[in-house]
Amino acid sequence: QQQVKQSPQSLIVQKGGIPIINCAYENTAFDYFPWYQQFPGKGPALLIAIRPDVSEKKEGRFTISFNKSAKQFSLHIMDSQPGDSATYFCAASKKSSGDKLTFGTGTRLAVRP
Amino acid sequence: KAGVTQTPRYLIKTRGQQVTLSCSPISGHRSVSWYQQTPGQGLQFLFEYFSETQRNKGNFPGRFSGRQFSNSRSEMNVSTLELGDSALYLCASSLGHRDTTYEQYFGPGTRLTVT
Repeated sequence: QQQVKQSPQSLIVQKGGIPIINCAYENTAFDYFPWYQQFPGKGPALLIAIRPDVSEKKEGRFTISFNKSAKQFSLHIMDSQPGDSATYFCAASKKSSGDKLTFGTGTRLAVRP
Repeated sequence: KAGVTQTPRYLIKTRGQQVTLSCSPISGHRSVSWYQQTPGQGLQFLFEYFSETQRNKGNFPGRFSGRQFSNSRSEMNVSTLELGDSALYLCASSLGHRDTTYEQYFGPGTRLTVT
């Protein structure tokens, strides 16, 4: 049972564009939603995270938008650069499950120069 | 502050053998979680240890086990290796407290190949 659905599977944008990656969750007990960036041969790196009491969070060029009623959240990358080309994963966790993260399937982003 | 370290980085084993992977968390972090990453199944949670106790477990067979030491370092063991165990095994650490953020930081992973 996939509890976090992520789309699209892959995405190509031009430099300066704003790629948007979407995730939807089923379990309303989830209370923490991080995004990770992974380069080939590396472990996932924490980018930004949000909790359900906030509708938007911005850190640098990365913004999370959160819609609690729709059980959806998304990552926006402003002014994207070729160096942002990587695989992005959304995830979710809930207090009763400790640090267990349930991941989306990932989005492979390519930013063309 | 040093990040999460994992050893070894690469490993080749034969079916039926067993393997032990090691993880050193960020200094001060008391929770260590393990994940398996494969192209087909993505990132899947194996188990979490906090203060030397397994706090949570994913849906993996009993061949997968782990432990945590008093210095928070953790090991995971896979016995009777199968071809399907070939994967990138990732370790993540966090402070582990219930009333703070759940920020988890991943290590570079151990690439296990079973032949």
